[in-house]
Amino acid sequence: DQQVKQNSPSLSVQEGRISILNCDYTNSMFDYFLWYKKYPAEGPTFLISISSIKDKNEDGRFTVFLNKSAKHLSLHIVPSQPGDSAVYFCAAYSGAGSYQLTFGKGTKLSVIP
Amino acid sequence: ETGVTQTPRHLVMGMTNKKSLKCEQHLGHNAMYWYKQSAKKPLELMFVYSLEERVENNSVPSRFSPECPNSSHLFLHLHTLQPEDSALYLCASSLGRRSEKLFFGSGTQLSVL
Repeated sequence: DQQVKQNSPSLSVQEGRISILNCDYTNSMFDYFLWYKKYPAEGPTFLISISSIKDKNEDGRFTVFLNKSAKHLSLHIVPSQPGDSAVYFCAAYSGAGSYQLTFGKGTKLSVIP
Repeated sequence: ETGVTQTPRHLVMGMTNKKSLKCEQHLGHNAMYWYKQSAKKPLELMFVYSLEERVENNSVPSRFSPECPNSSHLFLHLHTLQPEDSALYLCASSLGRRSEKLFFGSGTQLSVL
């Protein structure tokens, strides 16, 4: 049973437009959420995170929104650039002492020049 | 370059072989991880070592045997694997628990024939 769900396997966006990647979760104990980005033949790299006490976190072109009541988070990339083409993973921690980071399956973003 | 180096990058092995995957981190981190990524599945945590002590073991079959001789090195010893064990095996490291900056290596793509 998947606790972190990324229901869109892929997304195509025109360069310069907004990319919105979505993530839903089922475990109400999750309290810290992260997005990772992965290029082919490389490991995932950390992108941005948000604590459950916040509803928004921004870092340059990247903004993550958290809706706790809906158990939903989204990653916005504005403006999208061709170098943003990668697989994006949503992930979540539960509990202060946890090492267990639960990942979604990922969404492949293609930014078209 | 994330500071986490995995070797080999690719490995093909028969079901009766014994092989080892190696991971080395140059970041001064205290925790090291093995993750497995199978096709169309989320990244799955296999093992976690903190200060060379195994702190997580997610019901991984005994044909996978981890070893952490020091805080900079992590091995995954493989023996009598099955074809369904074919996957990308990723090593990661972090400063400690719930670390948002999990640094991943590039992974070993394993094929079991």
